[in-house]
Amino acid sequence: KAGVTQTPRYLIKTRGQQVTLSCSPISGHRSVSWYQQTPGQGLQFLFEYFSETQRNKGNFPGRFSGRQFSNSRSEMNVSTLELGDSALYLCASSLLGTSGNEQFFGPGTRLTVL
Amino acid sequence: KQEVTQIPAALSVPEGENLVLNCSFTDSAIYNLQWFRQDPGKGLTSLLLIQSSQREQTSGRLNASLDKSSGRSTLYIAASQPGDSATYLCAVSGNTDKLIFGTGTRLQVFP
Repeated sequence: KAGVTQTPRYLIKTRGQQVTLSCSPISGHRSVSWYQQTPGQGLQFLFEYFSETQRNKGNFPGRFSGRQFSNSRSEMNVSTLELGDSALYLCASSLLGTSGNEQFFGPGTRLTVL
Repeated sequence: KQEVTQIPAALSVPEGENLVLNCSFTDSAIYNLQWFRQDPGKGLTSLLLIQSSQREQTSGRLNASLDKSSGRSTLYIAASQPGDSATYLCAVSGNTDKLIFGTGTRLQVFP
């Protein structure tokens, strides 16, 4: 069974630009969550999607948005990039969601904002 | 608000040692606790998942215990190897439907 895949693996953008990251969950998994990892803040929850609906959202500004498609693939978008958005963005998939279900993470997308 | 703490922040041991990593959380109302491993610049690899009703889980040389009432979990690594060098993260899930992560323990096992 293929694991969680994320594309692209690396991105370099400049301030003010926007970026779209993609995550394909494990086949059969319906929940996709996104996390941001930085050296200063550690791993922080961005949002979770289940069956194309956002079920939960973390404490991030509205510049961060996402969506999920009918095949459970998810995209995350960050608009008007800031230097502080430089981070490793990780997505996790699970069968039904965080509660009681094992989370499987992808390799991440390393975003650098110049 | 759930807070997760991991001690120690870093650990350096010679190969072959048995070691214990600690994770504590402030709110005992959790659904489960998961231990992950992260190699530098990489994603997270799930090691063990302990449901709130369980006391421990084992996988190979790894054993994780959970004491929900005291808000603690330990990850025991037997006969450590240089390949075990990584950052180990614990994370809890509760009624907020998201994982709350600790800050991690960076482990180095030297030959």
